[in-house]
Amino acid sequence: DTEVTQTPKHLVMGMTNKKSLKCEQHMGHRAMYWYKQKAKKPPELMFVYSYEKLSINESVPSRFSPECPNSSLLNLHLHALQPEDSALYLCASSQDKGATNEKLFFGSGTQLSVL
Amino acid sequence: QKEVEQDPGPLSVPEGAIVSLNCTYSNSAFQYFMWYRQYSRKGPELLMYTYSSGNKEDGRFTAQVDKSSKYISLFIRDSQPSDSATYLCAMGDLNRDDKIIFGKGTRLHILP
Repeated sequence: DTEVTQTPKHLVMGMTNKKSLKCEQHMGHRAMYWYKQKAKKPPELMFVYSYEKLSINESVPSRFSPECPNSSLLNLHLHALQPEDSALYLCASSQDKGATNEKLFFGSGTQLSVL
Repeated sequence: QKEVEQDPGPLSVPEGAIVSLNCTYSNSAFQYFMWYRQYSRKGPELLMYTYSSGNKEDGRFTAQVDKSSKYISLFIRDSQPSDSATYLCAMGDLNRDDKIIFGKGTRLHILP
């Protein structure tokens, strides 16, 4: 099984809503990532978890809150988002954190629209 | 100068043609290089991963790295309409806290 599964595929939320994005992998990978991608732009790194601990936070606003309940699951909690946060949110995993291990496997993403 | 430069296209070629996609970079510390393919509304999919200069072949795809010129290429032989996608180059530096740098991506259209 070489899949990274993300739910939901699409999400529309208001600026006062609280929602969560979910990501799951069963490849035994120990590093998991959240990326944000705007249309016709490359993915931008948001967070990296390694062995269930947050290792990189790319100065992401606090309205985005990541959580790694276990080695297979990664959540992104959303609260009080702005319209400019509308984007494709991608989860990825890799065997381990570390340059030579970073063959990233991406999920299909959650297309988020903030109204 | 940006760290990674990639022509966004779009690039349109007829079916069966050889496609050449390229990226240049400025950071000589980059040591590993990747090509990802991304279909519309999907996540990127790793196509090729190389850790040195030279060529690496996988089916119809060949990745080429020239570290002396800071230039990488992806060649697609016998291109198919199903190859129509955005191709992102990416590279990493062992000393950069494991952060991969992506190019902007080239949109490729294979015309039947």
